[in-house]
Formats: sequence, structure tokens, C-alpha cells
Amino acid sequence: GAVVSQHPSRVICKSGTSVKIECRSLDFQATTMFWYRQFPKKSLMLMATSNEGSKATYEQGVEKDKFLINHASLTLSTLTVTSAHPEDSSFYICSAWVQGLYGDYGYTFGSGTRLTVV
Amino acid sequence: AQSVTQLDSQVPVFEEAPVELRCNYSSSVSVYLFWYVQYPNQGLQLLLKYLSGSTLVKGINGFEAEFNKSQTSFHLRKPSVHISDTAEYFCAVSDPNQAGTALIFGKGTTLSVSS
Repeated sequence: GAVVSQHPSRVICKSGTSVKIECRSLDFQATTMFWYRQFPKKSLMLMATSNEGSKATYEQGVEKDKFLINHASLTLSTLTVTSAHPEDSSFYICSAWVQGLYGDYGYTFGSGTRLTVV
Repeated sequence: AQSVTQLDSQVPVFEEAPVELRCNYSSSVSVYLFWYVQYPNQGLQLLLKYLSGSTLVKGINGFEAEFNKSQTSFHLRKPSVHISDTAEYFCAVSDPNQAGTALIFGKGTTLSVSS
């Protein structure tokens, strides 16, 4: 259980265009989701936290207008990279917080999206 | 603020040898601790987690970790590694008093298993 499906797995776009990445919780309601960015050989950098029905909370240094996050339903969160540039090329991963029926506690991750801006 | 330090950026080992990947956290309060594995171009897979209870936690693929509060450590161990264990390993921490907040990750340890 607690599966998050992330799409697309890979995307190549032209500089200046926008790209949308989707994360869907398949078998649970994701009230809180997180978006991370991972550079090559580097750790995961938290970009933002999104709660269903409210505005995302961005980490310091993350451009809100460039990385638009929408969490309009309990099963879908999206990250849109607007006016993408080559420096936005990276691996983006979504994650959902999971609170189980018996007080279990954990996080589940999408499979990631490799974005290449040319 | 909580932080996690993974003491080794790279750990090369031979197949069937034991391995320990070290992780220290900095927090004076209670914590939840996690170990994840990441294969190339994939998301993160949970190996094991410590929430409470027994300090020795057993996970998938033969991995285990021991929570040591006095040393603020949560080292990951496997008695005999396989080539397929070659991957990136991340230690992470969260605050149980702030349910639903994001995981804080260490910088990762690259485990390379050779024959």
C-alpha cells in the first residue's frame, strides 16, 4: 500500500517552455506532499511542502514563480517548471507523508522525473 | 534544526563482506530515523525505520540498523553484501512532535560492491 505514481519519468523540453510533473497517490489520501530536487551525486533538496487545498510552503531560495505547486485534491499534486532553462535540468522527486491506521508513520516516494532542458 | 551526517561519502566493499554505513543525527529531542536506498534514476525505497521500541531494527534485503541515543547514531549494517546492493543510501530524520513535516536527508553514501 501507500503508492505514489509520478509521471513522466523522463522529459526533454526546449528552453523557455513549461513542464508539468504529476504525482498521484494511488491507494491513500495524501494530505501532505513534498517536492525534492536532486542534483547528480547529491542529496535530496526539499523544494516545498504542499497541503491539500492550501498554498504550498516553499523553502528558502526556491523561486515560487518558477516552480508552481498545486495540490488541489487528496490524490494529486503537480509541480510545474515554468519558463524552463538548462539550469533547471535535474531529477525531481515527490513524496507523501503517510499516517497509517495503527499509528504507523512514514513517507512514500515517487519514482522521480528526469528533466532535461535543451 | 535537525540535521543528519553521513560520515562516509563512498564505501567500496567486496561481495560477501560485511558493511556498515554510518549515520549521526543532531537532535536533543526524540526523533524518527529512516534509511532509504536509491538505484540510478529511480526514487527512494525504504529499507527500515526507527519510530520507537527496540533499538535494533531489521529491514528489507538483510539490512539492519541500531538506534543509539547516547551516541546519536543510527548506523546501517549488512553481514554479507551482494553486487545488487550497489546503490546510493540515504539516512533521514523527522521530528515526531511535528507530524507530517518533511524528512531531512543526509548527503548520501555510495555503496559499491565488487566481485
